Amino acid sequence: AQSVTQPDIHITVSEGASLELRCNYSYGATPYLFWYVQSPGQGLQLLLKYFSGDTLVQGIKGFEAEFKRSQSSFNLRKPSVHWSDAAEYFCAVSTGNQFYFGTGTSLTVIP
Amino acid sequence: DAGVTQSPTHLIKTRGQQVTLRCSPKSGHDTVSWYQQALGQGPQFIFQYYEEEERQRGNFPDRFSGHQFPNYSSELNVNALLLGDSALYLCASSLGRINSPLHFGNGTRLTVT
Repeated sequence: AQSVTQPDIHITVSEGASLELRCNYSYGATPYLFWYVQSPGQGLQLLLKYFSGDTLVQGIKGFEAEFKRSQSSFNLRKPSVHWSDAAEYFCAVSTGNQFYFGTGTSLTVIP
Repeated sequence: DAGVTQSPTHLIKTRGQQVTLRCSPKSGHDTVSWYQQALGQGPQFIFQYYEEEERQRGNFPDRFSGHQFPNYSSELNVNALLLGDSALYLCASSLGRINSPLHFGNGTRLTVT
């Protein structure tokens, strides 16, 4: 069965520090993978997506993610975090018409 | 370019009542999906509408039903509300092809008392 696991419920980083959010997926076919960000009281905003090709994908707001098939992972990274990055981050896999989301990682940024 | 709009933003209902939530998709999108997000959880797929038909359904009871109109807007109806239906209901629109990225509205916060 398809599923997404985000092992870190909550992460705290200092402003300017680097960030990596982990995501592992379970899906038998070629995965279509996404990262979304949700600010309090808001809907989800697409950060980036992976369909095929280059395993390192670039997204908005300086985020990037690397797809590793051997590890069934799609980790999100940012070299230097800004205070405005504080939010909830969700990894998702699409099975065609349905998206499966992880439980999210809450990011706190300290000055 | 208007994004996905949902109404109302907040709603309080009593157990056993019925509720209707509304969604207008992003301009140019023809597909609408509905997700339920419980507190502290990721969104869970309810169903997807395309060409005014339910194309796929998640693991939700028949109390959850929907509709898509010719202008691609959509409604989500929930009957016989339970306390456990309290959640943020998210509408997402996309293009009709599979694996198309979802564009979300800000959601409707439903509280059942």
